[in-house]
Amino acid sequence: ETGVTQSPTHLIKTRGQQVTLRCSSQSGHNTVSWYQQALGQGPQFIFQYYREEENGRGNFPPRFSGLQFPNYSSELNVNALELDDSALYLCASSHPPGQNTGELFFGEGSRLTVL
Amino acid sequence: QKEVEQNSGPLSVPEGAIASLNCTYSDRGSQSFFWYRQYSGKSPELIMSIYSNGDKEDGRFTAQLNKASQYVSLLIRDSQPSDSATYLCAAPNGGSYIPTFGRGTSLIVHP
Repeated sequence: ETGVTQSPTHLIKTRGQQVTLRCSSQSGHNTVSWYQQALGQGPQFIFQYYREEENGRGNFPPRFSGLQFPNYSSELNVNALELDDSALYLCASSHPPGQNTGELFFGEGSRLTVL
Repeated sequence: QKEVEQNSGPLSVPEGAIASLNCTYSDRGSQSFFWYRQYSGKSPELIMSIYSNGDKEDGRFTAQLNKASQYVSLLIRDSQPSDSATYLCAAPNGGSYIPTFGRGTSLIVHP
């Protein structure tokens, strides 16, 4: 069974730039969620994708956007980067909504630093 | 905003002791609860889930749920230095299966 994989693992950007983070879900999982985890904080929900559609969104501005592809992989895009966007970005896959109890299976994360 | 609250710690216990980690939640509609362990610089890993009032045991870990008090806890028996990590409590809001996380409690097990 293949786990959740994310890329890149680390990256450095400057304010105003754009970034794309990628995630491949665990085999058998067609639902992908993205979380932002700032240092010393718990993960904050950004959004979730199911069947290539956004299926829930947290309190993040529109410059945070995403995609899900037919193979269930996903991208998180952040435009106009701000210093406060520096965080660990976590992708998690899970069972589809009808079978889901809330268990998440996380990738290793992408550490973004904005200078 | 539905919330999950945890004491950030750190909680320091000696090796071999019982570590007790606590969590409260605000949404009475929450039906499932999860504990994740997160080592420094790593991603969260699910270690326990609990859905019914009472205790659920898995090896050295026991999760306890009290829905009336909106309280969930994690006990770690015979704590080991390798248990040193941040423990995150998570609960989906009622009607959702998308978990809200607490800020996590840092546990330090010293030899």
